[in-house]
Amino acid sequence: GAVVSQHPSRVICKSGTSVKIECRSLDFQATTMFWYRQFPKQSLMLMATSNEGSKATYEQGVEKDKFLINHASLTLSTLTVTSAHPEDSSFYICSASGQGVYNEQFFGPGTRLTVL
Amino acid sequence: SQKIEQNSEALNIQEGKTATLTCNYTNYSPAYLQWYRQDPGRGPVFLLLIRENEKEKRKERLKVTFDTTLKQSLFHITASQPADSATYLCALDRGAGRGKLIFGQGTELSVKP
Repeated sequence: GAVVSQHPSRVICKSGTSVKIECRSLDFQATTMFWYRQFPKQSLMLMATSNEGSKATYEQGVEKDKFLINHASLTLSTLTVTSAHPEDSSFYICSASGQGVYNEQFFGPGTRLTVL
Repeated sequence: SQKIEQNSEALNIQEGKTATLTCNYTNYSPAYLQWYRQDPGRGPVFLLLIRENEKEKRKERLKVTFDTTLKQSLFHITASQPADSATYLCALDRGAGRGKLIFGQGTELSVKP
């Protein structure tokens, strides 16, 4: 149980385009979903926290108009990178909590975004 | 500011030995600490959680200790196997009960047969 999926797993796009990444909790209802980005050999950096039906809470330094988050249901959250630029190239990972005994986070497999 | 540090250098050990990874933190009093495993190109997988009032926690070949005085956690893998090769991340809650975590940069473990 407690499986989180992400789609797509890999995306390559041109500079200036927008990219949408989906995060789904497949077998449980997630009270909270988190979005992270990770650069090579670096730690996961929390970008935003979202709860179903409410606006996402963004971390300091993360542009909310650049990274749009929609949490439409207890099993689906989406991250849209708007007008992507090469510096947005990164590994984006979502996680969901609400199922574990310790309220631990269950992570998706990640999405590798490359902006040309 | 809050800071978490893990061994930045990769840890190479022989199969069957015990691997010990370190996580240190500063300017912080977390209620709990978690350890995750991350394989290349994949999301992290939860392994263990230890609370501030617990000294030690075990799960199969894994053992975690938590010293709130030293502000340090040690993560041990006994009888290590090549399949244990991965990057191990420690994470601390940021408080306020909202489930937000701060992650260390991870330590890469390589177990040689």
